[in-house]
Amino acid sequence: GAVVSQHPSRVICKSGTSVKIECRSLDFQATTMFWYRQFPKKSLMLMATSNEGSKATYEQGVEKDKFLINHASLTLSTLTVTSAHPEDSSFYICSATGADSNQPQHFGDGTRLSIL
Amino acid sequence: QKEVEQNSGPLSVPEGAIASLNCTYSDRGSQSFFWYRQYSGKSPELIMFIYSNGDKEDGRFTAQLNKASQYVSLLIRDSQPSDSATYLCAADTGRRALTFGSGTRLQVQP
Repeated sequence: GAVVSQHPSRVICKSGTSVKIECRSLDFQATTMFWYRQFPKKSLMLMATSNEGSKATYEQGVEKDKFLINHASLTLSTLTVTSAHPEDSSFYICSATGADSNQPQHFGDGTRLSIL
Repeated sequence: QKEVEQNSGPLSVPEGAIASLNCTYSDRGSQSFFWYRQYSGKSPELIMFIYSNGDKEDGRFTAQLNKASQYVSLLIRDSQPSDSATYLCAADTGRRALTFGSGTRLQVQP
């Protein structure tokens, strides 16, 4: 089945640090990638939708200058949390889907970000 | 407001029983529906998806969709302790991003 790789799986860093998370589709061309955030015991909340070669579409309330998304190729999207603060600590999960509108999203393993 | 609603549980069933998980959605424009299983600290894992009214079966899992009632369910037959997890219902409202419910925690008692 389709595989999405997300890296790193865990990050612990100091407040003010910028953190980059990579999401790769390993065996299909991901025309669209999604970035979600999940707080403990809560559901996944969509942060942004990223289409290859174009600017990401951010959900209401998500700061685009805070969460920089790049989707430069059909197999890679990155999320950079700039100048991270403790309130940015969360579980960040990417997903990817191909051009077929009936293709379900496949999720990466997630990145647990802890800002001290 | 586009919402997907689930009972948070926990839903407790004995091993071997049928577990029934329910989900309702508010956006009639939702076109497809997904059930994901999420273990604690892990990413969601796709179990099934359904687009058409009626039932869809895959092994021990059956998804049911009733668009008139805006209702989706997942039945797990012969429940196993390894099925214990949080089950997330999600709807695709047509722009391919998913709206997730808050999840139902299932506990299968040995």
